[in-house]
Amino acid sequence: SQQGEEDPQALSIQEGENATMNCSYKTSINNLQWYRQNSGRGLVHLILIRSNEREKHSGRLRVTLDTSKKSSSLLITASRAADTASYFCATDESARTALIFGKGTTLSVSS
Amino acid sequence: SQTIHQWPATLVQPVGSPLSLECTVEGTSNPNLYWYRQAAGRGLQLLFYSVGIGQISSEVPQNLSASRPQDRQFILSSKKLLLSDSGFYLCAWSGAAGNEKLFFGSGTQLSVL
Repeated sequence: SQQGEEDPQALSIQEGENATMNCSYKTSINNLQWYRQNSGRGLVHLILIRSNEREKHSGRLRVTLDTSKKSSSLLITASRAADTASYFCATDESARTALIFGKGTTLSVSS
Repeated sequence: SQTIHQWPATLVQPVGSPLSLECTVEGTSNPNLYWYRQAAGRGLQLLFYSVGIGQISSEVPQNLSASRPQDRQFILSSKKLLLSDSGFYLCAWSGAAGNEKLFFGSGTQLSVL
């Protein structure tokens, strides 16, 4: 089963622009996480936001969480060509031990 | 520091052949271990997870199985591969508390022909 659904599926921007990706989920959660995957590689954890937090920053990343709307957004500011990758949100359902991932957003940043 | 090793990186197998993918973690004890599969251009599907030696939870009924013979070793197996088993297989670990961040291996690209 997939808990999170990212939007858009694909995003193409120019270097220096901001990139915003959204994630919606269905059930109550303890935390929501964002991961990055370069083509053909494993996923790398970017940021974790807990259900009692509304916003979190890490470098050029800004994540928001709205539990009333069951949605989250990931903002990458001043994007670089090296940010080209797929980005996934992952959530933990209340009674589960494993994260459930969405289908991801493929970000392409051109120079 | 903790590291996760997953091999092989690529594998081409005929339909009906057996499969064994291995994953080991170093630098931590009693991790939670996970197998995910990713179809081309798709999200990750959770296959199995384990919270301890010999403890396996299966998420999707299929012809795959998992075993955890040692604390930091997780094996994905099949007796007879199907075409639909093709995909990118990822092993991951997290702390014993669970639901914290996952650390992924580099993946195995499996092609069943």
